[in-house]
Amino acid sequence: QLQESGPGLVKPSGTLSLTCVVSGASISSSNWWSWVRQTPGKGLEWIGEIYHDGTTDYNPSLKSRVTISVDKPKNQFSLRLKSVTAADTAVYYCARVGLDSSAYDYWGPGTLVTVSS
Amino acid sequence: DIVMTQSPDSLAVSLGERATINCKSSQNILNSANNKNYLGWYQQKPGQPPKLLIYWASTRKPGVPDRFSGSGSGADFTLTISSLQVEDVAVYYCQQYYNTPRTFGQGTKVEIK
Repeated sequence: QLQESGPGLVKPSGTLSLTCVVSGASISSSNWWSWVRQTPGKGLEWIGEIYHDGTTDYNPSLKSRVTISVDKPKNQFSLRLKSVTAADTAVYYCARVGLDSSAYDYWGPGTLVTVSS
Repeated sequence: DIVMTQSPDSLAVSLGERATINCKSSQNILNSANNKNYLGWYQQKPGQPPKLLIYWASTRKPGVPDRFSGSGSGADFTLTISSLQVEDVAVYYCQQYYNTPRTFGQGTKVEIK
């Protein structure tokens, strides 16, 4: 299971910070761990992903503002998105890339983050 | 970026009838080295995250009803629901994972006629 947590409201120009706690699996396994967001206007958008050794891959459209990190002792990974605007208002999901499928086989329930003053 | 385009945007199908959703990628997503199409299909119901149905374009995830099937290769793909059930009302997305950024189609809303 995956579970997102973090503030539901962030001020414009501030930093969005979310954590995804992984249970029932080890974040040190051979999976990649991802962040995906969903808005009514842009649909599903891949933000980026991380491997347990800290290797990351980011969406070029967000790369200058995104940092994804992993905390192996806590079995969790995190997302930081800086300099947010209203356009970053979305439901944010964490997801696991399956070893057999290479697709997203498990997702968190999602968390709505609103950017507003 | 690989652009994924689904058609139609929505469709209404009678219970027990076939529903067909198409997905086209802007470039080939077949890896000739392993003969795999890097394409997944997801189902999303309101208030829920997407749920993986099909991967490698045609492999059904264990536990997914066999009325769901995927086909196609290269840049043209299809998701078929052979006999629509009430619980299949949802939005369906295709996604390519051939390269990053991973990209999704815009979604197809399936309703009961």
